[in-house]
Amino acid sequence: GDSVTQMEGPVTLSEEAFLTINCTYTATGYPSLFWYVQYPGEGLQLLLKATKADDKGSNKGFEATYRKETTSFHLEKGSVQVSDSAVYFCALSDLQGAQKLVFGQGTRLTINP
Amino acid sequence: EAGVVQSPRYKIIEKKQPVAFWCNPISGHNTLYWYLQNLGQGPELLIRYENEEAVDDSQLPKDRFSAERLKGVDSTLKIQPAELGDSAVYLCASSGTSGRYNEQFFGPGTRLTVL
Repeated sequence: GDSVTQMEGPVTLSEEAFLTINCTYTATGYPSLFWYVQYPGEGLQLLLKATKADDKGSNKGFEATYRKETTSFHLEKGSVQVSDSAVYFCALSDLQGAQKLVFGQGTRLTINP
Repeated sequence: EAGVVQSPRYKIIEKKQPVAFWCNPISGHNTLYWYLQNLGQGPELLIRYENEEAVDDSQLPKDRFSAERLKGVDSTLKIQPAELGDSAVYLCASSGTSGRYNEQFFGPGTRLTVL
């Protein structure tokens, strides 16, 4: 079945550092790919998405590019802030109309001032 | 606009007791999802509703779990009897009209602890 594998955490960085969180997937067909973020005490929020190969999703300074050849969707940010501290989930959704989200295990990110 | 509302936020029960979780989706959203999130893991779909119909319940452990969606709006997820392994966060999400993809909006979740 479909699956998502994320870089294991936790990840701790200093403010203004460059961030990469790796995500690879296994799926039949051509899924849509997503990054969700969960801030402390809050629900999951969609951060960005890409629906086809070579699409780049971006939001709040975060970017991720849908790479079909490497089945990857790595999350990047050039300069992280303390407020980016959260748990990040990579996910995919199939295109068969099921709209079921399959999530990775999550990566906890802590940014120190 | 109000988001997805879940209650209670926290629940502590003893094993073998019943428990129920309630979800009120975003107004107008016809698709409702229940996910299970174990500690340190990503959410996993338990059941998906289109209006009042359960269209995907393949991952719902039907021996002890049940769900309903009254009049295609609010939904209740029940566990009876609860087991120690059911301790987790139960997430509800909703999305708008069906199609290629529609963003799922998540509630804050109910954290269940079974003692």
